[in-house]
Amino acid sequence: QSALTQPPSASGSPGQSVTISCTGTSSDVGGYNYVSWYQQHPGKAPKLMLYEVSKRPSGVPDRFSGSKSGNTASLTVSGLQAEDEADYYCTSYAGSNNYVFGIGTKVTVL
Amino acid sequence: EVQLVESGGGLVQPGGSLRLSCAASGFTFSKYWMHWVRQAPEKGLVWVSRTNIDGSSSSYADSVKGRFTISRDNAKNTLFLQMNSLRAEDTAVYYCARDLCGPEDRWGQGTLVTVSS
Repeated sequence: QSALTQPPSASGSPGQSVTISCTGTSSDVGGYNYVSWYQQHPGKAPKLMLYEVSKRPSGVPDRFSGSKSGNTASLTVSGLQAEDEADYYCTSYAGSNNYVFGIGTKVTVL
Repeated sequence: EVQLVESGGGLVQPGGSLRLSCAASGFTFSKYWMHWVRQAPEKGLVWVSRTNIDGSSSSYADSVKGRFTISRDNAKNTLFLQMNSLRAEDTAVYYCARDLCGPEDRWGQGTLVTVSS
C-alpha cells in the first residue's frame, strides 16, 4: 500500500493549463479505472473533482479533465483561476476493497 | 442537506484508545459504504478503513490493521472507528466519507486525534 507518486508542486498563470500526474502500479492505477482526484483548500475537507478517471461530479466545471495511460493518471486544469490554487490528491482503488492516495500536489496560480 | 459530523477526537497517550463517531444526516445512511480517511498535520491524505452497507464486511490499511475497528449503527445513522494501541504516528485529522471516490462522495469536516504523552 505505497502512496501514489505525484509531483510536489505545479503552477501556471491565470488562463493557462496545468497537468498533474499520478503514478502507481499495475495493482492500483494500472489495474482499475477507478482513479479519482480531490481538491483541498487549507483547513477544508477534500472535494471530489473527478472519479472513474474522467467523470465529473455534479457542479464541477468542465475545466477539470482526467485521463489514464498504463500506470499513470493525469488531471488537467484548463483556464486556471485563482480559486484553483489548492492541494490536489489522486486516489485509486487497489483491490480487496482497499484504496491508496497520492502524496499530493500543491497547485499555485501565479 | 447531506451532513457528516465527526466527533470523539482529542488528546490520548501512546498505547491508549479512542472511539470516533460520525453522525450522518440528510440521506439514507444504510445505502452507502462508508470510509475513514486521515491526514497528519501538514501531510497528505491516507485511506484508513471502509465498511459495507450493513457492516458485515470491512477492510483496513496495513498501518492500522489489528488496532482499529470500523463499525456502524444504521438505526442511529452513525459510523464508528475504535482505535486501540494508539501511536504517535496516528496523530491526524480523521475524516469520515460517504461513497469514497464515487459520484455521491461526501466528507465530514474531520476530528483531530493527538497521540502524545
